[in-house]
Amino acid sequence: DAGVTQSPTHLIKTRGQQVTLRCSPKSGHDTVSWYQQALGQGPQFIFQYYEEEERQRGNFPDRFSGHQFPNYSSELNVNALLLGDSALYLCASSWGLKETQYFGPGTRLLVL
Amino acid sequence: GENVEQHPSTLSVQEGDSAVIKCTYSDSASNYFPWYKQELGKRPQLIIDIRSNVGEKKDQRIAVTLNKTAKHFSLHITETQPEDSAVYFCAASIQGGSEKLVFGKGTKLTVNP
Repeated sequence: DAGVTQSPTHLIKTRGQQVTLRCSPKSGHDTVSWYQQALGQGPQFIFQYYEEEERQRGNFPDRFSGHQFPNYSSELNVNALLLGDSALYLCASSWGLKETQYFGPGTRLLVL
Repeated sequence: GENVEQHPSTLSVQEGDSAVIKCTYSDSASNYFPWYKQELGKRPQLIIDIRSNVGEKKDQRIAVTLNKTAKHFSLHITETQPEDSAVYFCAASIQGGSEKLVFGKGTKLTVNP
């Protein structure tokens, strides 16, 4: 039973560039949430996707966008990268909107 | 919106001792409280969770207590072992409303052999 997977594991970009991160949910899960974890901090909610729609959004600018595909996998896109976007980006999946969330290993993004 | 405060930020105990981490939340509508353990460079792993209709939950050496009136919940680890060393995060959410998890800032637990 595969858990939540994310790709790539690490990424280095420069300011102003755009990045796409990918997530495959745990088998049987249909909901994907994205979190940003800065060094030494707790994860912060970016947005959540269910039935291919963004259901909720945290306090992140429109530079952060996403998508969910029919197979429940998801992408996080960040445009016009800033130095402050450097962080670990975590994807969490669950079954439905009310169940326990399980995290993937994350993508560590460094913006230079 | 919801805010979660977590204390202490660091905790050092001797192997075999107990460890307690406390969290408070601001939104009285919150009804789901998970705890995650994150080892260095690894993903957060769910270790235990509690819903607001339960006051206490145990799983072997780990227990969580919830006081809805005071809006705080705690993680208790008994008979600590070196492999318990990690950063622990509490979180809160409103299941059935806003399912996003709001996390505390974490507690770095060190268990000394």
